Amino acid sequence: DVKVTQSSRYLVKRTGEKVFLECVQDMDHENMFWYRQDPGLGLRLIYFSYDVKMKEKGDIPEGYSVSREKKERFSLILESASTNQTSMYLCASQTGGADTQYFGPGTRLTVL
Amino acid sequence: AQSVTQLDSQVPVFEEAPVELRCNYSSSVSVYLFWYVQYPNQGLQLLLKYLSGSTLVKGINGFEAEFNKSQTSFHLRKPSVHISDTAEYFCAGTVNTGNQFYFGTGTSLTVIP
Repeated sequence: DVKVTQSSRYLVKRTGEKVFLECVQDMDHENMFWYRQDPGLGLRLIYFSYDVKMKEKGDIPEGYSVSREKKERFSLILESASTNQTSMYLCASQTGGADTQYFGPGTRLTVL
Repeated sequence: AQSVTQLDSQVPVFEEAPVELRCNYSSSVSVYLFWYVQYPNQGLQLLLKYLSGSTLVKGINGFEAEFNKSQTSFHLRKPSVHISDTAEYFCAGTVNTGNQFYFGTGTSLTVIP
């Protein structure tokens, strides 16, 4: 089975802190994604990566950056956390093609 | 442009009754369609997918969906729901020329004992 893990299930940070969310997949997938999920808005794509050191902006990249130094790991960085970034963050991975995305368990981030 | 619309934000249904969760898509090219389920405080789990072939797709936990090209729909159905089916359900689509998914806003299914 594909396994996607995220570094934390719950995280509480203060406004202005730099926040790192990490995601690791064990299936040698080329594509990885970061979403945020908010009630009534569904999933919104922040960034995705289709190869090591490659990244593409999604629908809501402002306030976020990403890093993919190794194929299995995709990190989401909040340079200076703000309260409006309080959300559920979901990571997903996918083989190189238009097929199933496999999701991690999510990180619920609260910014105070 | 591609998009996916889930017509119902909340669906309450009694245990052992049938249920249909509606999903419509908009695309000018061939689409692949998916249904995911999310239990509280968990990630999304694939229920079923349509890539090509038979338009009736069977998934896990007794769910099925039918791809209807003329009505641009991909509704999810289950003939008899259980309490354990209470969850959030997401419809998603993508096109065969890309890898980006388009998600609906979700339908919260509540099964009433």
